[in-house]
Amino acid sequence: DVKVTQSSRYLVKRTGEKVFLECVQDMDHENMFWYRQDPGLGLRLIYFSYDVKMKEKGDIPEGYSVSREKKERFSLILESASTNQTSMYLCASSPEAGNYGYTFGSGTRLTVV
Amino acid sequence: AQTVTQSQPEMSVQEAETVTLSCTYDTSESDYYLFWYKQPPSRQMILVIRQEAYKQQNATENRFSVNFQKAAKSFSLKISDSQLGDAAMYFCAYIVYNNDMRFGAGTRLTVKP
Repeated sequence: DVKVTQSSRYLVKRTGEKVFLECVQDMDHENMFWYRQDPGLGLRLIYFSYDVKMKEKGDIPEGYSVSREKKERFSLILESASTNQTSMYLCASSPEAGNYGYTFGSGTRLTVV
Repeated sequence: AQTVTQSQPEMSVQEAETVTLSCTYDTSESDYYLFWYKQPPSRQMILVIRQEAYKQQNATENRFSVNFQKAAKSFSLKISDSQLGDAAMYFCAYIVYNNDMRFGAGTRLTVKP
C-alpha cells in the first residue's frame, strides 16, 4: 500500500522555536506538497517541489521554508513559530502530472503556545 | 485567480437517503481534472471520485456520482444510500495540467441514523 508518512501526528511548540515537519513518501513520486488546513479556508498551498533540491512558493509561504534533499523526503520548516501558525499541516505527493490526484499524509496538528 | 467554491459549510442526511454536495470552480483553462476528497475524523484524505474535464460522461464510483456541468463550471457530488461511514469533511478540488491542486473550503457531512 502506497504511503505518505508525516513524522508527527500532534506537536506542541513554543513561540519563537524553529519547527521541522517531516514528510516521507515511498512511491517514487516526483512532486511533493505542503498544505495548511484551517476551518472555513480549506487547504492552502504553502510550498511545493517538482524535483530534488527544487522548491516553489505556494499561496502562503510567509514564515515557512522547505527542504528537499532526497526525492522521498520533503520537510517544512517554521523558522520562528508564531501562534498564528497553529494549524493542521498536510503533506501530499503525486507523480509528475498529478492528474490522477494526490496521495496525502494523515496530517500534523501543530499548536504553538 | 483560480478558485473553488463550496457553498454549503455543513450538510446533513438521513441514513439510506441521498445527498448532493455542491461545488463551483473558476478557471480559464479548457483541460483540467476535478476531484472529490473525503476526510474522516482520522484526517486521512481519501480520493472519492475523479472527473476529466474533456469527458462529457459523469464519473461514478459505486454509491458516489458527479454531475459535471462544464459550461456552468459546476461539479456536484451525489451520495446515494448514505451510510454512517460517509460522515466526513468533503473537499472539492481541481488541477490544471502540471499545476498545483486547488481546494474548496469543504463541506461537513453528518449522517443521522
